[in-house]
Amino acid sequence: DGGITQSPKYLFRKEGQNVTLSCEQNLNHDAMYWYRQDPGQGLRLIYYSQIVNDFQKGDIAEGYSVSREKKESFPLTVTSAQKNPTAFYLCASIWGQNTGELFFGEGSRLTVL
Amino acid sequence: KQEVTQIPAALSVPEGENLVLNCSFTDSAIYNLQWFRQDPGKGLTSLLLIQSSQREQTSGRLNASLDKSSGRSTLYIAASQPGDSATYLCAVRGSGTYKYIFGTGTRLKVLA
Repeated sequence: DGGITQSPKYLFRKEGQNVTLSCEQNLNHDAMYWYRQDPGQGLRLIYYSQIVNDFQKGDIAEGYSVSREKKESFPLTVTSAQKNPTAFYLCASIWGQNTGELFFGEGSRLTVL
Repeated sequence: KQEVTQIPAALSVPEGENLVLNCSFTDSAIYNLQWFRQDPGKGLTSLLLIQSSQREQTSGRLNASLDKSSGRSTLYIAASQPGDSATYLCAVRGSGTYKYIFGTGTRLKVLA
């Protein structure tokens, strides 16, 4: 089935460690996104990518990094520079040429111990 | 800068009631507006997508309207059921951009 797969679903990290969250889509979508969600808050944009080998910072990019080497993959690295990394991370994608309906993965919950 | 607001933040209603969720945005230059449902600990599920040229979209018991001039969208849920209990979020995509801005959501509880 077509969709967006995020892994791992749950991740625990010690302070000072970098972690990478995986996002893979088989929808042939052009644009991909990373959002962060904190309890009781809406989604905040971290990074987005419209095409391969290109990406733009969102509203809260500090302490995060991304790459887009393949159309279907958009991994997010949470670095030790991110001061409050404990959150729910959501990956999304759209097909750039169509009506622009946004589809989401099931999310990854990161907890810093 | 686009800002999206959802009121109320939480809503509790008895089963069978018709209800309206509100979404307001500050910049009317939008490409589209999308409503989502989110269950606890899960990703977002798309409910309805309204293009900027459209006034409303319907899917089953759901109807979403869009008034760009006033910067408002409403999600109407008919004959609510306990299974409708979830958080509902709206997101706006600006014209000429790939960025989506989200509201903080309305947490709905439908009581049996």
